[in-house]
Amino acid sequence: DAKTTQPNSMESNEEEPVHLPCNHSTISGTDYIHWYRQLPSQGPEYVIHGLTSNVNNRMASLAIAEDRKSSTLILHRATLRDAAVYYCIRLRDTGNQFYFGTGTSLTVIP
Amino acid sequence: DAGVIQSPRHEVTEMGQEVTLRCKPISGHNSLFWYRQTMMRGLELLIYFNNNVPIDDSGMPEDRFSAKMPNASFSTLKIQPSEPRDSAVYFCASSLLDTQYFGPGTRLTVL
Repeated sequence: DAKTTQPNSMESNEEEPVHLPCNHSTISGTDYIHWYRQLPSQGPEYVIHGLTSNVNNRMASLAIAEDRKSSTLILHRATLRDAAVYYCIRLRDTGNQFYFGTGTSLTVIP
Repeated sequence: DAGVIQSPRHEVTEMGQEVTLRCKPISGHNSLFWYRQTMMRGLELLIYFNNNVPIDDSGMPEDRFSAKMPNASFSTLKIQPSEPRDSAVYFCASSLLDTQYFGPGTRLTVL
């Protein structure tokens, strides 16, 4: 089962941090967690990925629970350009087929 | 790099016509993916190529859909005959390792 569970929608005020949760309770020990986002009228774009340790890049941080059953994407200061649908994806080490769920639609309020 | 290139960006056709969508992956990438996105079903993987060979086509809806990758720099997705329920945005993505890079998509409308 490659499914993940995310809230359908979230809101954030501009310039405040945003924590986007994802549940992947059936994850195996070698599945990576990937996050992508889709801006309006665009294709999905890569945000960040990780396996066990917390990860940081210029776009966001990824906090992975110690038991790996959940993770949180952190946008440190939301901007209006961050309004998008955010997808949390499990990627099996046996292949690179992505299964996109419904994602979380993030609204940023000015 | 120009990124993944898809053409056309918009296609409007009538039911029963043949539709061909085109994709040029990022140079050097060895995997190519075709996705379809609709409001009802979200993003669905249709088919996945590795080194120009189809690896998994279990997402192709039916025999009216076919995909080819004759070389590392070009792929097509063909629908023949097209039906109104095929109306969707079709994305092509390519990758070298795990990260997939998506094109801008082709919005297909079948009347």
